[in-house]
Amino acid sequence: NAGVTQTPKFQVLKTGQSMTLQCAQDMNHEYMSWYRQDPGMGLRLIHYSVGAGITDQGEVPNGYNVSRSTTEDFPLRLLSAAPSQTSVYFCASSYEAGGGLQNTGELFFGEGSRLTVL
Amino acid sequence: KNQVEQSPQSLIILEGKNCTLQCNYTVSPFSNLRWYKQDTGRGPVSLTIMTFSENTKSNGRYTATLDADTKQSSLHITASQLSDSASYICVVSGVSGGYNKLIFGAGTRLAVHP
Repeated sequence: NAGVTQTPKFQVLKTGQSMTLQCAQDMNHEYMSWYRQDPGMGLRLIHYSVGAGITDQGEVPNGYNVSRSTTEDFPLRLLSAAPSQTSVYFCASSYEAGGGLQNTGELFFGEGSRLTVL
Repeated sequence: KNQVEQSPQSLIILEGKNCTLQCNYTVSPFSNLRWYKQDTGRGPVSLTIMTFSENTKSNGRYTATLDADTKQSSLHITASQLSDSASYICVVSGVSGGYNKLIFGAGTRLAVHP
């Protein structure tokens, strides 16, 4: 079972560069989301989607874009990387959309993508 | 302000010993509380999900308790193993800033030594 697959696992960017973090799930989950994890802080929601064609902002969306053209894929785009975006990024999915941010279902996380912006 | 506080920040125990991790939250109302285990360099994995009406939930050597009145939860690990070395994250699903969301604690880093 693949579950939630994220690529790349590691990436180094220069300030101003753009890139896309890929996320794919094979569990037919409607809900997908992106989080960032920084030292000493809890995971923070960047963007989420409750189904194909539907996306919305989380608590820290600035500097990031998402799209959801299929149920399986939910890429995260960094438009112009900044050192403040140095972090570990996690994609997570859930069967239950739970009405927007509520998401009462169990979350399945990917293995993470470690991004460094110089 | 962090609405989910975990303690201690880090903990070292010897293999075979028991330990208890704490989670205090101020989120209200809330629909459920979750504990996740995150191995170093990996994504979080769900251990338990408890609704406000549940007091105790077990998953093998892991037992979570919830006191919705005092807004406290604990995760008890029995007969610890080296593989228990990880960060343990408490997550509360509730209302914050006027809308429903998942609020993550910063985690407790547990090291089990032989």
